[in-house]
Amino acid sequence: DAGVIQSPRHEVTEMGQEVTLRCKPISGHNSLFWYRQTMMRGLELLIYFNNNVPIDDSGMPEDRFSAKMPNASFSTLKIQPSEPRDSAVYFCASSLSGSTNEQFFGPGTRLTVL
Amino acid sequence: DAKTTQPTSMDCAEGRAANLPCNHSTISGNEYVYWYRQIHSQGPQYIIHGLKNNETNEMASLIITEDRKSSTLILPHATLRDTAVYYCIVESKGSARQLTFGSGTQLTVLP
Repeated sequence: DAGVIQSPRHEVTEMGQEVTLRCKPISGHNSLFWYRQTMMRGLELLIYFNNNVPIDDSGMPEDRFSAKMPNASFSTLKIQPSEPRDSAVYFCASSLSGSTNEQFFGPGTRLTVL
Repeated sequence: DAKTTQPTSMDCAEGRAANLPCNHSTISGNEYVYWYRQIHSQGPQYIIHGLKNNETNEMASLIITEDRKSSTLILPHATLRDTAVYYCIVESKGSARQLTFGSGTQLTVLP
């Protein structure tokens, strides 16, 4: 099992540009989570999906952020336009509903907005 | 979800047991205690969870007090690779399964 796959691993962009982060959850998992981690705020949940449906997006900072899950094996987190304060490590995690609630995290995408 | 309190940092000698405490005095009856850890530059990793009984797996043991207001994660023989931030989280298993990460405990295993 390859685990949760995220791409790109590193992204450097300029303020105002669109950024798209990608995630492939573990096959068979039906819950997917997007987190953001910064030194100041720690690890924060942005949004999570259950069976491809967004359940709670109250953690999404503002309208510049959007997330989609078109099918069970793929999700994107988009930032448009990006700002320097969006610089962080973004983690995707997946889990199997009804299980022990063990979430499996990907390696993260380190985003730097100049 | 109940709030947890953990020490900011701890040191442990290699080969010794590492005992990481967590207070969760406002935990409710249907909330579980979960432990995750995050090794530098990696995503968090699940360790163990429990409701009221002590639990053990290949990674660690979880001791929960009888009143469930606190717990201790035990790494029986700490290695240098156990150096990480350890997060104690309480959450309703049957809920939306959101994990609220606090500041955690930075465990440093010393040679």
